[in-house]
Amino acid sequence: AQKITQTQPGMFVQEKEAVTLDCTYDTSDQSYGLFWYKQPSSGEMIFLIYQGSYDEQNATEGRYSLNFQKARKSANLVISASQLGDSAMYFCAMREVEEYGNKLVFGAGTILRVKS
Amino acid sequence: DTGVSQDPRHKITKRGQNVTFRCDPISEHNRLYWYRQTLGQGPEFLTYFQNEAQLEKSRLLSDRFSAERPKGSFSTLEIQRTEQGDSAMYLCASSPRTSGSAGELFFGEGSRLTVL
Repeated sequence: AQKITQTQPGMFVQEKEAVTLDCTYDTSDQSYGLFWYKQPSSGEMIFLIYQGSYDEQNATEGRYSLNFQKARKSANLVISASQLGDSAMYFCAMREVEEYGNKLVFGAGTILRVKS
Repeated sequence: DTGVSQDPRHKITKRGQNVTFRCDPISEHNRLYWYRQTLGQGPEFLTYFQNEAQLEKSRLLSDRFSAERPKGSFSTLEIQRTEQGDSAMYLCASSPRTSGSAGELFFGEGSRLTVL
């Protein structure tokens, strides 16, 4: 069963506007973590933001915020004031029971293009 | 540079040849992961080490794949008798045993394999 679903293969946003990238997940665990990574054309995966399943507040990191709706099992990434450098692939990922390390399961990703 | 480094960055080989990739994790990280990423997809977990012990292997890791982490430092991923379906980006990541509330993985820039 697919654990992480990213339904938007590609998104466009105008520079300086906000954009929301969707992510839904599936787990039966009570304790889990949700992550967003950015992958520019260089290939390196860059960690952006984390939300724990027990965190009551939505996570924020600079221009990134995570809209966590636990009952709907969604963890959407919001990027405010988009910049040209935000153009990249974005992956949502989940860590379930930390039985063996911090193994992450990734979604298929969303390509974001910022237009000037 | 104190990040995760991978070598080589690119490898082109003929079908049936063996290839080996090397990963040097962040020095204080005792956990090391290998992922495979095909074009347009998210990274897929292959295997995980804690120090020198290989604690988990994905079903994706066929008998032609072997990974080692001698002395718990760098790691190698060897693919024997390569097939065209092995063409992918091979990503290495590391994390410390305790990494606070997030437990994010730190990725290298990947090794891109092309099998002709």
